[in-house]
Order: sequence, then structure tokens, then C-alpha cells
Amino acid sequence: AQKVTQAQTEISVVEKEDVTLDCVYETRDTTYYLFWYKQPPSGELVFLIRRNSFDEQNEISGRYSWNFQKSTSSFNFTITASQVVDSAVYFCALRGHTNAGKSTFGDGTTLTVKP
Amino acid sequence: DVKVTQSSRYLVKRTGEKVFLECVQDMDHENMFWYRQDPGLGLRLIYFSYDVKMKEKGDIPEGYSVSREKKERFSLILESASTNQTSMYLCASSLPPPEHYGYTFGSGTRLTVV
Repeated sequence: AQKVTQAQTEISVVEKEDVTLDCVYETRDTTYYLFWYKQPPSGELVFLIRRNSFDEQNEISGRYSWNFQKSTSSFNFTITASQVVDSAVYFCALRGHTNAGKSTFGDGTTLTVKP
Repeated sequence: DVKVTQSSRYLVKRTGEKVFLECVQDMDHENMFWYRQDPGLGLRLIYFSYDVKMKEKGDIPEGYSVSREKKERFSLILESASTNQTSMYLCASSLPPPEHYGYTFGSGTRLTVV
């Protein structure tokens, strides 16, 4: 069974603050993939990043960074110097390696960035 | 630009009706998925298909069926719509692992059953 937990339901910050969204997962697969998606107010989910279970290197893309720690089964997402356009619901997801593997999403974290 | 297209953005149906939600992708993806999204419950997988004519139950398949006769089209069927199926329905497609670099989602169909 797979499970993804995003303990933070809602986060509110003021523009230019840094914010970290937490994601903890459970899986029995030895090979798996972790994802973050963004769902802005317009509604369409957009893929942000994929991480393989065998690659624990952290990743930075502009103001976004991701910290993958297998030892704690966590895949946290940090936005540096947040902007109003970052306001969205963010979903963490997990997928197994097999072709027929299911993906499991967390319940999402609603981030509000105030000007 | 690659796309997943859902046939309707908003739909209102009556209880007991048979409802078809259509999803078409133009990326030649093998895998296609149907999720429903409800406040406080996140995204829940209804059905998925990893190839033409193949289907697998997700976490909440009751009351639904699917059809995948062609690679690009994945249909979700509500056999007899009920009010508890009022929800946002999201279709997605992807390549299979290990080439899977995330889902491409459609813009969703907001279904109201009255």
C-alpha cells in the first residue's frame, strides 16, 4: 500500500518570505518516483518535479528547491522569496515502478501568499 | 503544445442518468487515469489504464466503469449517477515508468448530479 501525507492543510505567508511544504510518504516498493504538482486558482494541475528513489540529490530550480531524504521518507518543497503568483494548492505524489503502478496523491497544501 | 482534453468543463446531470466523461490525449501516452477531486480529500484514483483495452481499478471504482478502445481516448462512465458523485473529475496521461516524467492533466470536468 502507498500513502502520501501532507500534514499542512493551509499555509499563509507574506510576500518575500520563504516557505516549506512538507511531504511524507510510505511505500513497500524499492524503486519509486516522487512528484510535486501545482494547482493554481485556474484549476489545472501542473507538474513541477520528479525524483527517483535512487537519486537523493537535492534540486534547485530558480526560487524552488526540493529536499529528498530517504531516511525520513520525506520530500519537502521550499519556495524562496515567495510571490503572490505562488498562491496555489500544491500536491505531493508517489508512484511505483511497475507499468501498472498506481499513483497516490497527498491531500494537498493550500498556500496563500499575501502582498 | 501537448494536451489532454476533457470534453466538458461543466456538466449537470440528473440522478439515475448514465453519464459519459470523455478524455483525449495527443501525446501517444500509454497510461491514462481518472481521478476525482473533492475538498479535504485530495485526488482519489478511480480507474487507470496502462494500455489499450487494459484497465485497473483505483481506490474508489464503485459506481464507475471505463472504456479504452483507442490509445488516445479514455472514457469514464457513471452507470447510474448519484448525488455523491458530484465532484471535479480529472483525467491525466503519462508515459510508463521509468520514462514517466509526471502526469499531464486535463482542465477537469465539474459534474453536478441533481
